[in-house]
Amino acid sequence: KNEVEQSPQNLTAQEGEFITINCSYSVGISALHWLQQHPGGGIVSLFMLSSGKKKHGRLIATINIQEKHSSLHITASHPRDSAVYICAGLNRDDKIIFGKGTRLHILP
Amino acid sequence: DGGITQSPKYLFRKEGQNVTLSCEQNLNHDAMYWYRQDPGQGLRLIYYSQIVNDFQKGDIAEGYSVSREKKESFPLTVTSAQKNPTAFYLCASRGTSTSYEQYFGPGTRLTVT
Repeated sequence: KNEVEQSPQNLTAQEGEFITINCSYSVGISALHWLQQHPGGGIVSLFMLSSGKKKHGRLIATINIQEKHSSLHITASHPRDSAVYICAGLNRDDKIIFGKGTRLHILP
Repeated sequence: DGGITQSPKYLFRKEGQNVTLSCEQNLNHDAMYWYRQDPGQGLRLIYYSQIVNDFQKGDIAEGYSVSREKKESFPLTVTSAQKNPTAFYLCASRGTSTSYEQYFGPGTRLTVT
């Protein structure tokens, strides 16, 4: 079992829908990160979370330390939000562990 | 502004040539990492370094080499021994023991023909 698990693997939605991507992580993972990767493009860091909630524009990230779970929400989704969203965290061996990513496709 | 620089964004090489990917950070971070991503796949650890002049192999180190002569630089060489070098390469760093904040470079897409 991967130390960082994401769901869903793929998500297709209509423009304007509220999007939720989930990330569960194992004991020992700290400093959780959400990243965005556009097709053929590089990685962009969206959020780093150790507790609570962060908001940037239409993006909201939350983390529940007790349940070892984080969510990335997109409000009023737009086709330009189509990308792969990746959850990552630091494990006890000091390695950054990545989830396999969620491929999001927003239809106009 | 502090951050990680990877250059170039796209790199093309002929088969049989070694190629070195650059990763520089001005964050004073101790630890630096190299990852590889294949199409439709997750990111896999190639090498990492927790301190200057020291580095460890990750899960897929064969065919790669690194050096860490300076704190701010962690170049990755893709050697001709790497059987499938075409991939996306990501460099990352991790803060000091008082802050585990991670930073990520934009990545380099390497194509070998």
